Amino acid sequence: EPEVTQTPSHQVTQMGQEVILRCVPISNHLYFYWYRQILGQKVEFLVSFYNNEISEKSEIFDDQFSVERPDGSNFTLKIRSTKLEDSAMYFCASRWDRENQPQHFGDGTRLSIL
Amino acid sequence: AQSVTQLGSHVSVSEGALVLLRCNYSSSVPPYLFWYVQYPNQGLQLLLKYTTGATLVKGINGFEAEFKKSETSFHLTKPSAHMSDAAEYFCAVSDRSNQGGKLIFGQGTELSVKP
Repeated sequence: EPEVTQTPSHQVTQMGQEVILRCVPISNHLYFYWYRQILGQKVEFLVSFYNNEISEKSEIFDDQFSVERPDGSNFTLKIRSTKLEDSAMYFCASRWDRENQPQHFGDGTRLSIL
Repeated sequence: AQSVTQLGSHVSVSEGALVLLRCNYSSSVPPYLFWYVQYPNQGLQLLLKYTTGATLVKGINGFEAEFKKSETSFHLTKPSAHMSDAAEYFCAVSDRSNQGGKLIFGQGTELSVKP
């Protein structure tokens, strides 16, 4: 069964550094998402992406964050200047066209900011 | 704003016992409803979904959930728990009017299964 893949599984970065989290969504999916889960808290929506542009973003997704689909397969989340509070598990998800279809999640990238 | 409440952050059952995990949503218009399971160090795996039609939906691993509009609920059940069911379970909703389909999650319920 096709799956969403995320790399790396664990990223350790110094505060203030830039980090790029990578995702390969399922190939025929059209909607792409990033979520994060701070340890002990609920999974939170960050951003959705469709037709090569952001379709919705949350309050968390400020100017420090950006997303990109640089080619036909990858979907990336960039954090420009990381803060301690960015430490979390980041999940990528993708979905087929129809809104009643479920999102398929990757295994996540654990981001640790030192 | 839409919200999702899962009663009980931790539920413990004996192997073979009934599993009941509760989920309530807040919107007056029923959203699309999902249950996901997360095993340690893994991503979120879809258990089941309700979008339309029959209100009792069956999912993987013997789980099922019933949508009750009058109670704004979508509780997850399994008649007989197995040790392998130990995991974290998340209820999530998506507004029907939002084509982008972002998911709003509950806090999660950690299920423990005792031998």
